[in-house]
Amino acid sequence: NAGVMQNPRHLVRRRGQEARLRCSPMKGHSHVYWYRQLPEEGLKFMVYLQKENIIDESGMPKERFSAEFPKEGPSILRIQQVVRGDSAAYFCASRPGPPTYEQYFGPGTRLTVT
Amino acid sequence: GQQLNQSPQSMFIQEGEDVSMNCTSSSIFNTWLWYKQDPGEGPVLLIALYKAGELTSNGRLTAQFGITRKDSFLNISASIPSDVGIYFCAGRERNYGGSQGNLIFGKGTKLSVKP
Repeated sequence: NAGVMQNPRHLVRRRGQEARLRCSPMKGHSHVYWYRQLPEEGLKFMVYLQKENIIDESGMPKERFSAEFPKEGPSILRIQQVVRGDSAAYFCASRPGPPTYEQYFGPGTRLTVT
Repeated sequence: GQQLNQSPQSMFIQEGEDVSMNCTSSSIFNTWLWYKQDPGEGPVLLIALYKAGELTSNGRLTAQFGITRKDSFLNISASIPSDVGIYFCAGRERNYGGSQGNLIFGKGTKLSVKP
Protein backbone atom coordinates (compact mmCIF):
# COMPACT_ATOMS: atom_id res chain seq x y z
CA ASN A 1 0.00 0.00 0.00
CA ALA A 2 1.74 3.14 -1.20
CA GLY A 3 2.05 6.01 1.24
CA VAL A 4 1.04 9.61 0.68
CA MET A 5 2.67 10.92 -2.48
CA GLN A 6 3.59 14.53 -3.09
CA ASN A 7 5.12 16.16 -6.11
CA PRO A 8 7.20 17.89 -6.94
CA ARG A 9 9.60 17.37 -4.05
CA HIS A 10 11.34 20.64 -4.81
CA LEU A 11 9.89 23.63 -6.61
CA VAL A 12 11.61 26.89 -7.46
CA ARG A 13 9.50 29.83 -8.54
CA ARG A 14 10.28 33.47 -9.22
CA ARG A 15 8.28 36.13 -7.46
CA GLY A 16 4.92 36.61 -9.13
CA GLN A 17 4.71 33.11 -10.61
CA GLU A 18 2.23 30.42 -9.63
CA ALA A 19 3.07 27.31 -7.62
CA ARG A 20 0.99 24.14 -7.86
CA LEU A 21 1.61 21.42 -5.31
CA ARG A 22 0.06 17.99 -5.71
CA CYS A 23 -0.85 15.36 -3.15
CA SER A 24 -2.17 11.84 -3.67
CA PRO A 25 -3.51 10.41 -0.40
CA MET A 26 -3.08 6.85 0.74
CA LYS A 27 -5.46 4.37 -0.84
CA GLY A 28 -8.77 4.40 0.95
CA HIS A 29 -8.17 7.76 2.60
CA SER A 30 -10.77 10.42 1.86
CA HIS A 31 -9.55 13.17 4.20
CA VAL A 32 -6.64 15.39 3.18
CA TYR A 33 -4.84 18.08 5.14
CA TRP A 34 -2.23 20.60 4.06
CA TYR A 35 0.38 21.96 6.46
CA ARG A 36 3.18 24.46 6.11
CA GLN A 37 6.50 24.22 7.93
CA LEU A 38 9.14 26.89 8.29
CA PRO A 39 12.72 25.95 9.30
CA GLU A 40 13.05 25.08 13.00
CA GLU A 41 9.26 25.29 13.40
CA GLY A 42 6.38 22.89 13.85
CA LEU A 43 3.73 22.31 11.25
CA LYS A 44 0.95 24.85 10.84
CA PHE A 45 -2.46 23.70 9.63
CA MET A 46 -3.65 25.32 6.43
CA VAL A 47 -6.67 23.51 5.02
CA TYR A 48 -8.73 20.34 5.44
CA LEU A 49 -10.55 18.78 2.49
CA GLN A 50 -12.68 15.79 1.69
CA LYS A 51 -13.51 14.73 -1.83
CA GLU A 52 -14.90 17.77 -3.66
CA ASN A 53 -15.37 19.72 -0.41
CA ILE A 54 -13.34 22.18 1.62
CA ILE A 55 -14.15 21.44 5.24
CA ASP A 56 -11.92 23.96 7.00
CA GLU A 57 -9.67 26.55 5.41
CA SER A 58 -9.17 28.65 8.51
CA GLY A 59 -5.39 28.29 8.39
CA MET A 60 -5.00 29.33 4.80
CA PRO A 61 -4.38 32.96 3.78
CA LYS A 62 -7.48 34.42 2.13
CA GLU A 63 -5.56 35.80 -0.82
CA ARG A 64 -3.42 33.98 -3.35
CA PHE A 65 -3.89 30.53 -1.76
CA SER A 66 -6.46 27.96 -2.83
CA ALA A 67 -6.91 24.22 -2.48
CA GLU A 68 -9.02 21.55 -4.07
CA PHE A 69 -9.56 17.82 -3.85
CA PRO A 70 -11.50 16.78 -6.94
CA LYS A 71 -13.53 13.62 -7.34
CA GLU A 72 -10.77 12.18 -9.50
CA GLY A 73 -7.07 12.94 -9.14
CA PRO A 74 -4.83 14.42 -6.52
CA SER A 75 -5.43 17.28 -4.13
CA ILE A 76 -3.88 20.53 -5.34
CA LEU A 77 -2.59 23.44 -3.29
CA ARG A 78 -2.19 26.48 -5.48
CA ILE A 79 -0.30 29.62 -4.59
CA GLN A 80 -0.69 32.49 -7.01
CA GLN A 81 1.74 35.38 -7.40
CA VAL A 82 4.24 33.86 -5.00
CA VAL A 83 6.31 36.06 -2.72
CA ARG A 84 9.56 35.29 -0.88
CA GLY A 85 7.63 34.72 2.34
CA ASP A 86 5.90 31.73 0.74
CA SER A 87 9.18 29.82 0.77
CA ALA A 88 8.62 26.85 3.08
CA ALA A 89 8.03 23.11 3.15
CA TYR A 90 4.43 22.17 2.42
CA PHE A 91 3.21 18.82 3.69
CA CYS A 92 0.11 16.90 2.85
CA ALA A 93 -1.40 14.33 5.19
CA SER A 94 -4.29 11.93 4.80
CA ARG A 95 -6.46 9.81 7.05
CA PRO A 96 -9.21 7.28 6.40
CA GLY A 97 -11.96 8.88 8.48
CA PRO A 98 -13.57 8.49 11.91
CA PRO A 99 -13.02 6.96 14.37
CA THR A 100 -9.32 7.18 13.59
CA TYR A 101 -7.66 10.59 13.57
CA GLU A 102 -4.15 9.43 12.77
CA GLN A 103 -2.74 11.43 9.91
CA TYR A 104 -0.07 10.04 7.59
CA PHE A 105 2.26 12.51 5.95
CA GLY A 106 3.84 12.71 2.55
CA PRO A 107 7.50 13.66 2.00
CA GLY A 108 6.64 17.31 1.40
CA THR A 109 7.27 19.89 -1.31
CA ARG A 110 10.01 22.40 -0.63
CA LEU A 111 9.08 25.67 -2.30
CA THR A 112 11.76 28.25 -2.87
CA VAL A 113 10.79 31.67 -4.18
CA THR A 114 13.62 33.64 -5.73
CA GLY B 1 -4.42 30.25 17.96
CA GLN B 2 -3.90 27.29 20.26
CA GLN B 3 -0.30 26.21 20.63
CA LEU B 4 1.30 23.25 22.29
CA ASN B 5 4.26 23.74 24.60
CA GLN B 6 6.78 21.03 23.89
CA SER B 7 9.89 20.57 25.99
CA PRO B 8 12.75 20.34 25.98
CA GLN B 9 13.47 22.19 22.74
CA SER B 10 16.61 20.17 22.22
CA MET B 11 18.68 17.58 23.97
CA PHE B 12 21.82 15.62 23.48
CA ILE B 13 21.78 11.89 23.92
CA GLN B 14 24.43 9.31 24.49
CA GLU B 15 23.80 5.83 23.20
CA GLY B 16 22.05 3.76 25.83
CA GLU B 17 20.49 6.69 27.69
CA ASP B 18 16.76 7.02 28.31
CA VAL B 19 15.07 10.13 26.91
CA SER B 20 11.92 11.92 28.03
CA MET B 21 9.97 14.76 26.47
CA ASN B 22 6.53 16.20 27.04
CA CYS B 23 3.85 18.38 25.60
CA THR B 24 1.28 20.54 27.36
CA SER B 25 -1.74 22.51 26.25
CA SER B 26 -4.05 25.03 27.83
CA SER B 27 -7.15 23.20 26.64
CA ILE B 28 -8.43 19.65 26.64
CA PHE B 29 -7.40 17.32 23.84
CA ASN B 30 -9.17 14.20 22.59
CA THR B 31 -6.20 12.74 20.77
CA TRP B 32 -2.43 12.90 21.16
CA LEU B 33 -0.02 11.81 18.46
CA TRP B 34 3.75 11.61 18.43
CA TYR B 35 5.75 11.94 15.22
CA LYS B 36 9.41 11.79 14.28
CA GLN B 37 10.81 13.84 11.41
CA ASP B 38 14.17 13.27 9.76
CA PRO B 39 15.82 16.05 7.73
CA GLY B 40 14.17 16.56 4.37
CA GLU B 41 11.37 14.11 5.08
CA GLY B 42 7.79 14.20 6.26
CA PRO B 43 6.79 13.35 9.84
CA VAL B 44 6.37 9.66 10.57
CA LEU B 45 3.71 8.58 13.03
CA LEU B 46 5.14 6.82 16.09
CA ILE B 47 2.27 6.48 18.57
CA ALA B 48 -1.39 7.51 18.76
CA LEU B 49 -3.28 7.95 22.03
CA TYR B 50 -7.03 8.28 22.38
CA LYS B 51 -7.92 7.89 26.06
CA ALA B 52 -6.91 9.80 29.18
CA GLY B 53 -4.40 7.76 31.15
CA GLU B 54 -3.61 5.53 28.18
CA LEU B 55 -0.06 4.20 28.07
CA THR B 56 1.09 2.81 24.71
CA SER B 57 4.40 1.35 23.60
CA ASN B 58 6.00 0.95 20.20
CA GLY B 59 9.28 -0.91 20.65
CA ARG B 60 11.55 1.23 22.80
CA LEU B 61 9.08 4.13 22.68
CA THR B 62 6.38 4.65 25.29
CA ALA B 63 3.85 7.46 25.31
CA GLN B 64 1.16 8.44 27.76
CA PHE B 65 -2.03 10.48 27.46
CA GLY B 66 -2.13 12.62 30.62
CA ILE B 67 -5.00 12.19 33.05
CA THR B 68 -5.92 15.88 32.80
CA ARG B 69 -6.10 15.47 28.98
CA LYS B 70 -3.89 18.55 28.71
CA ASP B 71 -0.56 16.81 28.38
CA SER B 72 1.31 13.88 26.93
CA PHE B 73 4.72 12.31 27.45
CA LEU B 74 7.09 10.36 25.23
CA ASN B 75 9.91 8.22 26.56
CA ILE B 76 12.63 6.52 24.55
CA SER B 77 14.52 3.80 26.36
CA ALA B 78 18.11 2.76 25.65
CA SER B 79 18.58 5.29 22.85
CA ILE B 80 20.51 4.38 19.71
CA PRO B 81 22.09 6.67 17.09
CA SER B 82 19.15 6.36 14.68
CA ASP B 83 16.88 7.95 17.32
CA VAL B 84 18.40 11.30 16.33
CA GLY B 85 15.86 13.60 14.72
CA ILE B 86 13.03 15.94 15.62
CA TYR B 87 10.09 14.63 17.61
CA PHE B 88 6.76 16.42 17.39
CA CYS B 89 3.71 16.08 19.54
CA ALA B 90 0.38 16.80 17.91
CA GLY B 91 -3.07 17.00 19.39
CA ARG B 92 -6.65 17.12 18.31
CA GLU B 93 -8.45 19.68 20.37
CA ARG B 94 -11.86 18.95 21.77
CA ASN B 95 -14.13 21.54 20.29
CA TYR B 96 -17.79 22.00 19.71
CA GLY B 97 -18.92 22.82 16.21
CA GLY B 98 -15.44 23.06 14.78
CA SER B 99 -14.10 20.78 12.11
CA GLN B 100 -12.85 17.42 13.16
CA GLY B 101 -9.39 16.05 12.78
CA ASN B 102 -7.23 19.15 12.53
CA LEU B 103 -3.99 18.67 14.41
CA ILE B 104 -2.10 21.27 16.40
CA PHE B 105 1.66 20.68 16.52
CA GLY B 106 4.29 21.45 19.10
CA LYS B 107 7.51 23.08 17.92
CA GLY B 108 9.47 19.88 18.31
CA THR B 109 12.23 18.38 20.43
CA LYS B 110 15.50 18.00 18.56
CA LEU B 111 17.54 14.99 19.57
CA SER B 112 21.25 15.11 18.77
CA VAL B 113 24.18 12.91 19.63
CA LYS B 114 26.47 14.08 22.42
CA PRO B 115 29.77 15.27 21.00
